[in-house]
Amino acid sequence: AQTVTQSQPEMSVQEAETVTLSCTYDTSESNYYLFWYKQPPSRQMILVIRQEAYKQQNATENRFSVNFQKAAKSFSLKISDSQLGDTAMYFCAFITDSGAGSYQLTFGKGTKLSVIP
Amino acid sequence: DAGVIQSPRHEVTEMGQEVTLRCKPISGHDYLFWYRQTMMRGLELLIYFNNNVPIDDSGMPEDRFSAKMPNASFSTLKIQPSEPRDSAVYFCASSRNRGRLGEQYFGPGTRLTVT
Repeated sequence: AQTVTQSQPEMSVQEAETVTLSCTYDTSESNYYLFWYKQPPSRQMILVIRQEAYKQQNATENRFSVNFQKAAKSFSLKISDSQLGDTAMYFCAFITDSGAGSYQLTFGKGTKLSVIP
Repeated sequence: DAGVIQSPRHEVTEMGQEVTLRCKPISGHDYLFWYRQTMMRGLELLIYFNNNVPIDDSGMPEDRFSAKMPNASFSTLKIQPSEPRDSAVYFCASSRNRGRLGEQYFGPGTRLTVT
């Protein structure tokens, strides 16, 4: 079974500080992609960042970066210079590319991040 | 691009009534997904389509739920009859072809309340 575990239900960070959200996953597949999605209070899910499992280089998108540890099956999200607009639920997700045609994202339960002024 | 459009944004109905949720995917996207989100169960995939054809409906909870995609720009999720346990936020998402596997664009969701 494919699973995603986010062990931190809630976190908080001071504005302008850095915070890291944890995620671990489990799959027997070798080809897969990892994602962080953000769900602000407006509730619309937004893709934050994407990482291909075959790439060793960690993905970055402006203030957002990941620490991808393939052997440990760990995929954490680092948010630098936190802003009030970063307050949201953050979901870790992955999808396998087994070629079998399944196109299903597996999501974690989410981490609620609050940025404190 | 207008993004994924869902209607209505909020729906309140009585138990036993039929509910129809609507979705317009992003133009050019050939995958469409329906999700349900609750506090207890998190985000669940109900069904997804590829080129208007249902590919996997194993997440549809029971026969009261049905989904259709008559053309590339429109999909519906219907619940008949509705029950209080169907209360949730229902999201529609769309995606391009496999070249961007996993990148899904979500609509704003429909908050359904069944009393």
